[in-house]
Amino acid sequence: DAGVIQSPRHEVTEMGQEVTLRCKPISGHDYLFWYRQTMMRGLELLIYFNNNVPIDDSGMPEDRFSAKMPNASFSTLKIQPSEPRDSAVYFCASSPLGQGVSNEQFFGPGTRLTVL
Amino acid sequence: KQEVTQIPAALSVPEGENLVLNCSFTDSAIYNLQWFRQDPGKGLTSLLLIQSSQREQTSGRLNASLDKSSGRSTLYIAASQPGDSATYLCASTYSGAGSYQLTFGKGTKLSVIP
Repeated sequence: DAGVIQSPRHEVTEMGQEVTLRCKPISGHDYLFWYRQTMMRGLELLIYFNNNVPIDDSGMPEDRFSAKMPNASFSTLKIQPSEPRDSAVYFCASSPLGQGVSNEQFFGPGTRLTVL
Repeated sequence: KQEVTQIPAALSVPEGENLVLNCSFTDSAIYNLQWFRQDPGKGLTSLLLIQSSQREQTSGRLNASLDKSSGRSTLYIAASQPGDSATYLCASTYSGAGSYQLTFGKGTKLSVIP
């Protein structure tokens, strides 16, 4: 398996633009997580899905952030409009069936977002 | 709200030395505690996972312990190598407000000097 795949790896955009980050989880994993990592706040859980359904989005910072999982092999995290303080590395992770957050998570390489 | 703290923020040791990384958490009602490794510009790699009913886990030169009563976990690395240089993060999982919560520490940046 190729592991968790994220695209793009780097994104540079201007303030006010819409940004879409993409994630393909490991096949067969029923849980998918989106994280954000910054120097100031470290790694924070934004939202997680179980069987394509959002379970907890309490970590999503503002209404400008939204996440979808239309099927078991694809998820998006969208920021609209983007702001400079959204600059961070965004990670996607997945976990096997029946284990979810209580067991091992496999991380993608991350998307480094820079908002000018 | 769960808080996870890692001390020190950075550590430099000579090759071959044994070392301990520390992690503390405020809420002892956890499901598990995980240790991850993060290399620069890369994602996180899971190293060890300790379930709440366990006291320790071992993998090769790594040994992680868990003491829920004191809210502490340690990661012991034996005979350190330059390839061990990375940032090590711990994360606790607990149930709150009807869903799982995963909280990370800010990590310890380890440098092993040849």
